[in-house]
Amino acid sequence: NAGVIQTPRHKVTGKGQEATLWCEPISGHSAVFWYRQTIVQGLEFLTYFRNQAPIDDSGMPKERFSAQMPNQSHSTLKIQSTQPQDSAVYLCASSTGGTGQLYFGEGSKLTVL
Amino acid sequence: GDKVKQSPSALSLQEGTNSALRCNFSIAATTVQWFLQNPRGSLINLFYLVPGTKENGRLKSAFDSKESYSTLHIRDAQLEDSGTYFCAAEDSNNRIFFGDGTQLVVKP
Repeated sequence: NAGVIQTPRHKVTGKGQEATLWCEPISGHSAVFWYRQTIVQGLEFLTYFRNQAPIDDSGMPKERFSAQMPNQSHSTLKIQSTQPQDSAVYLCASSTGGTGQLYFGEGSKLTVL
Repeated sequence: GDKVKQSPSALSLQEGTNSALRCNFSIAATTVQWFLQNPRGSLINLFYLVPGTKENGRLKSAFDSKESYSTLHIRDAQLEDSGTYFCAAEDSNNRIFFGDGTQLVVKP
């Protein structure tokens, strides 16, 4: 069991560029969650999918952020026109169903210059 | 976060001693999880709790849904226990809220 896999581990973008972050949940897990972690805001919920369907995106910024789960083996978080305040560690987690025990990946550290 | 309050925010322990971390909830929590974030940044799930207690080695956790709190007890602290401990509470709408963490340093 490889755990939740996130790529890339580190990404540096220039202001205004697009960033796409990938998450592969644990095989057999039906729920995928995205969180953002910064020193100032702590761990913030962004969005979550169950059986590939978006269930709750209440934490997603209304503009520039989007998330998809095209199949059961991966989810993507896309940030368009990145801004310095988007710099954070983006964490993906999966669970067996509904919510339940969360298993996190190692995160993708995004730095926007 | 404002829905999950962790205390203390930071803690220094001598190796071999015991301590307790606490989370208070302003939501009607249905389940609680405790995580350790190691220096690499990985969040390791320590416990997943419905109301009641669980024990795993030197760690023991309790969740009281009526009094809206959870505790994590560390017995015989070791150097490798150092890191940031987070608790997370699930509400009736299946949303999970994290506390701001407790930074633990275990000293030799």
